[in-house]
Amino acid sequence: AVQLVESGGGLVQPKESLKISCAASGFTFSNAAMYWVRQAPGKGLEWVARIRTKPNNYATYYADSVKGRFTISRDDSKSMVYLQMDNLKTEDTAMYYCTGPSFAYWGQGTLVTVSS
Amino acid sequence: DIQMTQSPSSMSVSLGDTVTITCRASQDVGIYVNWFQQKPGKSPRRMIYRATNLADGVPSRFSGSRSGSDYSLTISSLESEDVADYHCLQYDEYPYTFGAGTKLELK
Repeated sequence: AVQLVESGGGLVQPKESLKISCAASGFTFSNAAMYWVRQAPGKGLEWVARIRTKPNNYATYYADSVKGRFTISRDDSKSMVYLQMDNLKTEDTAMYYCTGPSFAYWGQGTLVTVSS
Repeated sequence: DIQMTQSPSSMSVSLGDTVTITCRASQDVGIYVNWFQQKPGKSPRRMIYRATNLADGVPSRFSGSRSGSDYSLTISSLESEDVADYHCLQYDEYPYTFGAGTKLELK
């Protein structure tokens, strides 16, 4: 069965950094574009980032709200996808979900709280 | 950015109702619209992909349709397990954008 398991969330102060991870299993990870989607408390879903596959040069795409601060990456040898979040802001507080391929599968989410 | 205007934002429903939720895209997004269901405290679940295709394991009472720039999710004969939030997503153009969501509540 397909599984996506996020980890690494927590409480950080504004302007700090955090890296969250997602471990994938049950499908051919290296063939799948992967995504991060977040949801602020009581709010709707927001697409954050996408990373394509090796044949597509691991191309990355970002929401305007995180561009220049967040970096999505992947390690196909470990079936892992990551989100490096720098210069965090209070408005980045959210549940962060790993999803793919084609938004068919979702992890349980990892909560990132940015507060002083 | 493409705006996905989702309506209604909330809906009071009864079991057995036929429910339709709509997203209007501000630009052409072709068939690249997904619908997701989300229950409180849970992760989203893909229900419809490429506007009209039923995702694996989703009951046949769910359907997706498109009319021009309007995309609809219809639930026929609503069951209690269908009471949830629903979200549309366009993934034709970056940045991908979600609708604001629709909350179904039982009368």
